[in-house]
Amino acid sequence: EVQLVESGGGLVQPGGSLRLSCAASGFTFSSYWMSWVRQAPGKGLDWVANIKQDGTEKYYVDSVKGRFTISRDNAKNSLYLQMNSLRAEDTAVYYCARWVTPFDYWGQGVLVTVSS
Amino acid sequence: QSVLTQPPSVSGAPGQRVTISCTGSSSNIGAAYDVHWYQQLPGTAPKFLISGNNNRPSGVPDRFSGFKSGTSASLAITGLQAEDEADYYCQSYDSSLSGVLFGGGTKLTVL
Repeated sequence: EVQLVESGGGLVQPGGSLRLSCAASGFTFSSYWMSWVRQAPGKGLDWVANIKQDGTEKYYVDSVKGRFTISRDNAKNSLYLQMNSLRAEDTAVYYCARWVTPFDYWGQGVLVTVSS
Repeated sequence: QSVLTQPPSVSGAPGQRVTISCTGSSSNIGAAYDVHWYQQLPGTAPKFLISGNNNRPSGVPDRFSGFKSGTSASLAITGLQAEDEADYYCQSYDSSLSGVLFGGGTKLTVL
């Protein structure tokens, strides 16, 4: 059974940093593109970033370029999102998802709140 | 405002057929990129519902089907059931933005 479990969310002040993790199991993690998708409270889904199987290609939505970094550790079956210079508008539930065009499996999500 | 436009809400009675539209442009749906659909039940993570070639993952009933024409796509749900009440999102890729796009979402109410 495919499982994706996010962790690392919480409350952070504007300008602060946070690192999200996603532990994957039930499939060969190193064979798949992976992604982060977020959902602001009461709003729709927004794609954040994708990363290739070996980490050599990474893509970001314009609003997070230069502030967020997606990475992975295939030996640990883990996906990460380093978020720096956080803004109030980054407040959202962040989902880890497997990207096979479409996103076929999603984690349960982790809440990130940016507020003073 | 999303580049993929969906109606904010649709509704239907049990047993009826409803459709949810997803309107894009020449740089996404019109550029032959696939459109995929997701269902998000209240308080839960999104769930993959149907892919661009009308493939459904196991467990998704054939009451759900997808269509695409030109710069638009649609999700059709037949034999509406109370358990279908959820938010539905379309998703594609945009070549001018070089990124993945979601529609704004449509809330389906089963009357």
